[in-house]
Amino acid sequence: DTAVSQTPKYLVTQMGNDKSIKCEQNLGHDTMYWYKQDSKKFLKIMFSYNNKELIINETVPNRFSPKSPDKAHLNLHINSLELGDSAVYFCASSQLTGVGRTYNEQFFGPGTRLTVL
Amino acid sequence: AQSVSQHNHHVILSEAASLELGCNYSYGGTVNLFWYVQYPGQHLQLLLKYFSGDPLVKGIKGFEAEFIKSKFSFNLRKPSVQWSDTAEYFCAVRGQAGTALIFGKGTTLSVSS
Repeated sequence: DTAVSQTPKYLVTQMGNDKSIKCEQNLGHDTMYWYKQDSKKFLKIMFSYNNKELIINETVPNRFSPKSPDKAHLNLHINSLELGDSAVYFCASSQLTGVGRTYNEQFFGPGTRLTVL
Repeated sequence: AQSVSQHNHHVILSEAASLELGCNYSYGGTVNLFWYVQYPGQHLQLLLKYFSGDPLVKGIKGFEAEFIKSKFSFNLRKPSVQWSDTAEYFCAVRGQAGTALIFGKGTTLSVSS
């Protein structure tokens, strides 16, 4: 009963290819995120979706395109992969809640280790 | 812009030693504060969080953290570490009106038995 799941866990591909990473959460949350963890383990937000609407789009190359078909899924498609895209990509989800409409903590998926050769 | 600074890059301790990991943030408004842990090869797990109320927060596995507003700090502590605490520790902040977490660069904790 994984709360936030990602596929695949490992992805090895050649430069120039196009690849997708899928994320699903079964927590009933309304907000999902993609984070990138670089080789120095630094985590940085890439995108955030609330109820299928894009609400955060950090300075990320437009080769990266998130897609949210429904509240429970947020997929990440990457075109023309480059060496610098090699990283671990984490999906996360949280819920907007409470009288003050604040977000609870984020639950993270297991990560997808992308290696671009 | 919000930022998080973790002072210790790599901490090496013997079992039973006490632990304190520093975390400072820069944000003028109301914040939510978090400590996450990443065990080798695993995903991030929440250790503890501070939203409001008692500034001394207790989390899982014997960890606690103290929010000191005047110092913009949220240091993580554990009185006696175990070998199984070997992991990467991340402090994170979120402005109360915001959504995404801003992470510090992490602290690697190595505990020798």
